[in-house]
Amino acid sequence: EVQLVESGGGLVQPGGSLRLSCAASGFTFSSYEMNWVRQAPGKGLEWVSYISRSGSTIYYADSVKGRFTISRDNAKNSLYLQMNSLRAEDTAVYHCARDRDGYNEYWGQGTLVTVSS
Amino acid sequence: SYELTQPLSVSVALGQTARITCGGNKIGSYNVHWYQQKPGQAPVLVIYRDTNRPSGIPERFSGSNSKNTATLTISRAQAGDEADYFCQVWDSSTAYVVFGGGTKLTVL
Repeated sequence: EVQLVESGGGLVQPGGSLRLSCAASGFTFSSYEMNWVRQAPGKGLEWVSYISRSGSTIYYADSVKGRFTISRDNAKNSLYLQMNSLRAEDTAVYHCARDRDGYNEYWGQGTLVTVSS
Repeated sequence: SYELTQPLSVSVALGQTARITCGGNKIGSYNVHWYQQKPGQAPVLVIYRDTNRPSGIPERFSGSNSKNTATLTISRAQAGDEADYFCQVWDSSTAYVVFGGGTKLTVL
């Protein structure tokens, strides 16, 4: 059974940093591209970042470019999102999702990030 | 950047057919994917590449895509189909994953 479990969310002050993790199981992690997708409270889905199977290709949404860094450790079956210079508008539930040819086949339940003073 | 437009809400009578649209410039040239999200839950893929259903998704869910509109059709709507529905494409020209704003489906 495919499982994606996010962790690392919490309350952080504006300008602060946070590192999210996504633990993958039930499939060969290194064979799949991955995404981070977020959802602000009461709002829609917003794609954040994509990483290829080897990590050699990475894309970001304009709203996070230069502040967030996606990475993966295939040996640990884990996906990461380093978030720096956090803003109030980054407050959201962050989901990791397994990508398959441009669509998100499986999603984790998400981890809540709250940016507030 | 590419934009996808969905109605904020759609209502359907129990047992009838609901149609949720997703508009975009020449969206027919893109692969469109649809997700269902119930309150407090993660999104679930219900249609991929315009018309394909993942295993476990009822045949009542179907999709189409042509010209400037993609459509998710839910036949014989059930109370359990009440949810938010999001369309999504991959815009290869800008390397961007684009989501529609979402449509809240109400089953009356």
